[in-house]
This record gives sequence, structure tokens and C-alpha cells, in this order.
Amino acid sequence: DVKVTQSSRYLVKRTGEKVFLECVQDMDHENMFWYRQDPGLGLRLIYFSYDVKMKEKGDIPEGYSVSREKKERFSLILESASTNQTSMYLCASSLVQGAGGYTFGSGTRLTVV
Amino acid sequence: EDQVTQSPEALRLQEGESSSLNCSYTVSGLRGLFWYRQDPGKGPEFLFTLYSAGEEKEKERLKATLTKKESFLHITAPKPEDSATYLCAVQAYFGNEKLTFGTGTRLTIIP
Repeated sequence: DVKVTQSSRYLVKRTGEKVFLECVQDMDHENMFWYRQDPGLGLRLIYFSYDVKMKEKGDIPEGYSVSREKKERFSLILESASTNQTSMYLCASSLVQGAGGYTFGSGTRLTVV
Repeated sequence: EDQVTQSPEALRLQEGESSSLNCSYTVSGLRGLFWYRQDPGKGPEFLFTLYSAGEEKEKERLKATLTKKESFLHITAPKPEDSATYLCAVQAYFGNEKLTFGTGTRLTIIP
């Protein structure tokens, strides 16, 4: 069964900490994405990558960066965590122009205190 | 800017009571419209992709339809296990592989 695996289900971090969220996919997908999901706002795209070492900003990239050193792994970095980054973070992957849309991970619920 | 609006925000149905969820969209050239199901605390799970007006897809008690302005997710004789949040998303031809999501409809089926 194909999978997108996010390394942590729950994280609690302090304001100002540097936070790493890891995502690995085993489907050889070219595209990978990071979204955050907040009540009433839906899923909003933070960053995406269409190839190794390639990245593009999404709709809300401020305060975040990403790294994709290998095709299967896409990391989201919160440079200095703030309370307004408390959210559910969802990683996804897809084929280029794939008909199946995205395959999502189970999510990481991050709380910044 | 691409936009997706889903209605209603929440829907409670008795088991066996059929209904429809709505997804209205504006997009600069529709490549595909996607439906996902999301259970609490989990990531969205892919259900359907629709590409052109008039297209229909079915899976068990679910049927998705598409017009030039909206999509419907019809649920026939639902069961309690159909309770979930249903998300609609669009992908445009021009630009990147991004999906633009609606905020979802939270469906509850009462036994």
C-alpha cells in the first residue's frame, strides 16, 4: 500500500524554537506539498516541490522554509516558531499531472506554546 | 484567483436519508475537480477526480457530478460510517500542480 509518512503525529514546541517536520513518500512521486489546515480556513498551501532541490512558495510561505535533498523526502522548517503557527500540518505527494490528485499523510498537529 | 465554496458547512442526516453536498468553484481553466474524505485526526483520502462538465463518478453510496460552475456529491442511503468531512478542490491548467481547497462539509449520519 502506497504511503506518505509524517514523522510525528503530535508536537509541542516553545516560541522561538526551530522546528522540523519530516515527510517521506514511497511512491516515486515527483511533486510534494506542505499544507496547513485550520478550522474555518481549510487547507492552505505553504510550499511545494516538483523535483529534488526545487521548491516554490505557496499561498502562505512566511515564517517557513523547506528542504528536498532526496526525491522521497520533503521537510518543512519553522525558522522561529510562533503561536500563530499552531496548526495541523499535512504533507502530500502526487505524480506530475496525476489523475489521482494528492496522497496525503496523516498529519502533524503542532502546538506552539 | 481560484476559489472553492462548499455548502452546507455541516449536515446531519438520519441513516438511509439521501442528500447532496455542493461545491461551487471559479478557476482559470479547470484541469480537474477533486473530492476527498477526511476523518477526524487524519489526512484527506482521495475519492474522485472529475474533468469536464457532465462527467459523473460513483463509488459505493457516493456519486459525484460536475457542471461548469459546481460539483455535487450525492450520498444515497448513507450509513454511520459515511460520517466524515468531505473536501472539494480544484486544479487549474495554468501554473503549477497546486490544489485549491474548500473548507469542507462535515457530514454526520445518525443511526
